[in-house]
Amino acid sequence: QVQLVESGGGVVQPGKSLRLSCAGSGFTFSNYGMHWVRQAPGKGLEWLATITYDGDNKYYADSVKDRFTISRDNSKNTVSLQVTALRPDDTAIFHCVKDSSGSGNWYFDVWGRGTLVTVSS
Amino acid sequence: SYVLTQPPSVSVAPGQTARIPCGGNDIGSQDVHWYQVKPGQAPVLVVYDDRDRPSGTPERFSGSNSGSTAMLTINRVEAGDEADYYCQVWHRSSGHREVFGGGTKLTVL
Repeated sequence: QVQLVESGGGVVQPGKSLRLSCAGSGFTFSNYGMHWVRQAPGKGLEWLATITYDGDNKYYADSVKDRFTISRDNSKNTVSLQVTALRPDDTAIFHCVKDSSGSGNWYFDVWGRGTLVTVSS
Repeated sequence: SYVLTQPPSVSVAPGQTARIPCGGNDIGSQDVHWYQVKPGQAPVLVVYDDRDRPSGTPERFSGSNSGSTAMLTINRVEAGDEADYYCQVWHRSSGHREVFGGGTKLTVL
């Protein structure tokens, strides 16, 4: 079945970096745009970044565009999010999400369970 | 930036109809999608393109969109429908932007 599995979360000190990864299976990964979406404790869903099917175009929320970088490796069916200069308010569950289109501008049809990032000294 | 507005909470008795609005400027001209989020679980798409249901979404779930308000309607509400519900659009202006509403907690009384 179609599945997304995230990894790379953990407890990190403020100012440090992490690399989150997501492995996709059960679908032709290279055909679809991918996103990262997070949910902080007690808060709503927040879109972070999008990468098109071929990796040629990347888009970011204003709140993270200078600190987060999205990338993908279609040969390994993975998408990653490099997060830098982490702050306590970055504490959240980070979800990897498949778009229904290659350009990543439609709806989110498959979600991973997420990986928890906790920023604390 | 484009804003989607949802009420923080909606309460309904079992068997009744729940209506969850999502307000936005001229939202009727955009494609609206809805997600269900239960504690400890991955979000699930329940309605896309205003009114279409993925396979697996019960027919009790329906959507509409016109003017400045999109609506998720759940008929014959069950205890298992208790969750947070989020609307979402891809906003074409100002470049590529995915926008979520603030979410509505559906409580089944």
